[in-house]
Amino acid sequence: DGGITQSPKYLFRKEGQNVTLSCEQNLNHDAMYWYRQDPGQGLRLIYYSQIVNDFQKGDIAEGYSVSREKKESFPLTVTSAQKNPTAFYLCASSRPPGQGAYEQYFGPGTRLTVT
Amino acid sequence: GNSVTQMEGPVTLSEEAFLTINCTYTATGYPSLFWYVQYPGEGLQLLLKATKADDKGSNKGFEATYRKETTSFHLEKGSVQVSDSAVYFCALSGSGGYNKLIFGAGTRLAVHP
Repeated sequence: DGGITQSPKYLFRKEGQNVTLSCEQNLNHDAMYWYRQDPGQGLRLIYYSQIVNDFQKGDIAEGYSVSREKKESFPLTVTSAQKNPTAFYLCASSRPPGQGAYEQYFGPGTRLTVT
Repeated sequence: GNSVTQMEGPVTLSEEAFLTINCTYTATGYPSLFWYVQYPGEGLQLLLKATKADDKGSNKGFEATYRKETTSFHLEKGSVQVSDSAVYFCALSGSGGYNKLIFGAGTRLAVHP
């Protein structure tokens, strides 16, 4: 079955440590996205990538970094510079513009807790 | 800029009640509109979509009609079940040549037996 996998589902880190969240998709989608969701709130875009070796900052990129070396993979690193890293992180992917109604497909999410 | 406004929750209903969750939007051009559903501890699932004015999206008994004249995309279901308890997000496609989505804040639905 095609889909998006995120691992791990739960992640715990100490303050001051960098941590990398995994996102893999086998949908052959060009575009991938990272969102942050805080309790009772909507989704905020962190980074997105339209194509391999290219990515752009979203609305809340400070304290995060990404890479896109392969079409299938879009890992997110939460750095020690992120002041409030505890949140639920969602990865998504979509077809390129012109090949669909722009819907995004989401992974199951990673809940990160930093203490 | 583009934006989405949803009715605040939580919405609490008894099983078999009629559901409406309001969604209005502000956008330039002709965006596509979506409803996503999120069950506890999970990612978002696409529930339904509409790509042009007067289109009706439907899935699993849920419906929403793209109303350009009122800039709305209200979600409805005739008879809710306990299993429909979740958070519902309205979203629209943005501009800029990529598939950026703009999400509403979400509306929590709780259905009681």
